[in-house]
Amino acid sequence: QSVLTQPPSVSAAPGQKVTISCSGSSSNIGNNYVSWYQQLPGTAPKLLIYDNNKRPSGIPDRFSGSKSGTSATLGITGLQTGDEADYYCGTWDSSLSARVFGGGTKLTVL
Amino acid sequence: QVQLVQSGAEVKKPGSSVKVSCKASGGTFSSYAISWVRQAPGQGLEWMGRIIPILGIANYAQKFQGRVTITADKSTSTAYMELSSLRSEDTAVYYCARGTVAGTPWFDPWGQGTLVTVSS
Repeated sequence: QSVLTQPPSVSAAPGQKVTISCSGSSSNIGNNYVSWYQQLPGTAPKLLIYDNNKRPSGIPDRFSGSKSGTSATLGITGLQTGDEADYYCGTWDSSLSARVFGGGTKLTVL
Repeated sequence: QVQLVQSGAEVKKPGSSVKVSCKASGGTFSSYAISWVRQAPGQGLEWMGRIIPILGIANYAQKFQGRVTITADKSTSTAYMELSSLRSEDTAVYYCARGTVAGTPWFDPWGQGTLVTVSS
C-alpha cells in the first residue's frame, strides 16, 4: 500500500493529452514539493518534474506538473508511442520522516 | 554530468547479507545525498534510506531500520548499501539515486540498478 495514490493505468491516442493524478495528505504533498519520474520498460527511473512544476534540462515542454492542496498532476501533451512507460510521483512525508512514492501509473499510447 | 554506476547482480541465500555499491563519476559527490530505492518484480518504488557523504550521516526508512546499513567512501566517491537477514521478499532491483541534502525531495540521476535475487 503506497502512501501516495495514483491510478494504476491511463491510456490515450497518439497526439492526444493525458493527465496522471497523485493524491496524498497534509503530511506529504500538502506541505512539500512533488517530483515525477518516468520509467521506460527495463530501465531506471528518470526525473521528469521537480518542485511541483519545474523541468530539468532536456525534458521537453510536453511534460508539465502542477499541485493543488494535497494532490498533484502530471500532464503530457502530444503523446508519442515512446511515452509508454510507468510514471511515479514522489515527495517527502514528515510523519514518516521518509521519501515516499506513489504506486505508479502505466501509460499506454493506443 | 554526474553518473552513478552500480555493482553487478547478486544471488543470495535466505538469511545472508548483500552489499551493493554505487560509484559516482563526472561531478560532485559529497555535497549531495545518496538514497537507495528498491523495486520488487512488477511493483513500485520503495525508499530505503540515504546518506550525506560529507557528513557521514545516514537515515533509514522505519521498515528497514536494523537491517540496512548505508555507508559512503568520499575518497572513491562510492556509496554502499548492505541489507542483512535476507528473505525471498527482498528479491528486487536496488537503485541508488542522488538527491538534495535539504529542501526539495527529488532524485537525479539514478544508477542503472542492481538485481538481487534471494533464493535457496
